[in-house]
Amino acid sequence: AQSVTQLDSQVPVFEEAPVELRCNYSSSVSVYLFWYVQYPNQGLQLLLKYLSGSTLVKGINGFEAEFNKSQTSFHLRKPSVHISDTAEYFCAVSEKGNKLVFGAGTILRVKS
Amino acid sequence: DTGVSQDPRHKITKRGQNVTFRCDPISEHNRLYWYRQTLGQGPEFLTYFQNEAQLEKSRLLSDRFSAERPKGSFSTLEIQRTEQGDSAMYLCASSLVQGSSYEQYFGPGTRLTVT
Repeated sequence: AQSVTQLDSQVPVFEEAPVELRCNYSSSVSVYLFWYVQYPNQGLQLLLKYLSGSTLVKGINGFEAEFNKSQTSFHLRKPSVHISDTAEYFCAVSEKGNKLVFGAGTILRVKS
Repeated sequence: DTGVSQDPRHKITKRGQNVTFRCDPISEHNRLYWYRQTLGQGPEFLTYFQNEAQLEKSRLLSDRFSAERPKGSFSTLEIQRTEQGDSAMYLCASSLVQGSSYEQYFGPGTRLTVT
């Protein structure tokens, strides 16, 4: 069975500062990795995904993530955040094409 | 295409009543998923369909829950004899299993409150 741990429940950061949201996973098989964002009262939107190939993945809104197989991590980063990035971010894993297993989420609070 | 839609967006019901939610996936998508999200948690998988066949059900899906996807298009999720613990956001997602595409597109969710 797969599981996902998001190490920080909340991350406060000032506008224009860099941010890293941490995600670790466990699985006995190869998985695909995803980051989703959820704005208040909205559904989940895919930020980026890792299926194979380059371990550095670029997504929408200037976010990127790096897959580290040895550390079983898939941390999300952005070099300079904006107020509009305030939202909840979910890391998820999936065996090929099947159900997503989500972490508990990290609330990113961007302060001016 | 307008994406995945869910109806209703909000539902308040009394304990013991039955409720039914509907999900309309993106039209060409052959897979449809249901998840449940409670406050402070990530979404948890409930069940999924490939076309009209229900391929997997979570242990979370008690016998009070039933899902259907007639004709492989929209899907319904019914909860019978609702309990306060059923209060949650119910999310629907769809995907097209083709080539290397595994992205699930989510609807806005149906928020259920059981009083």
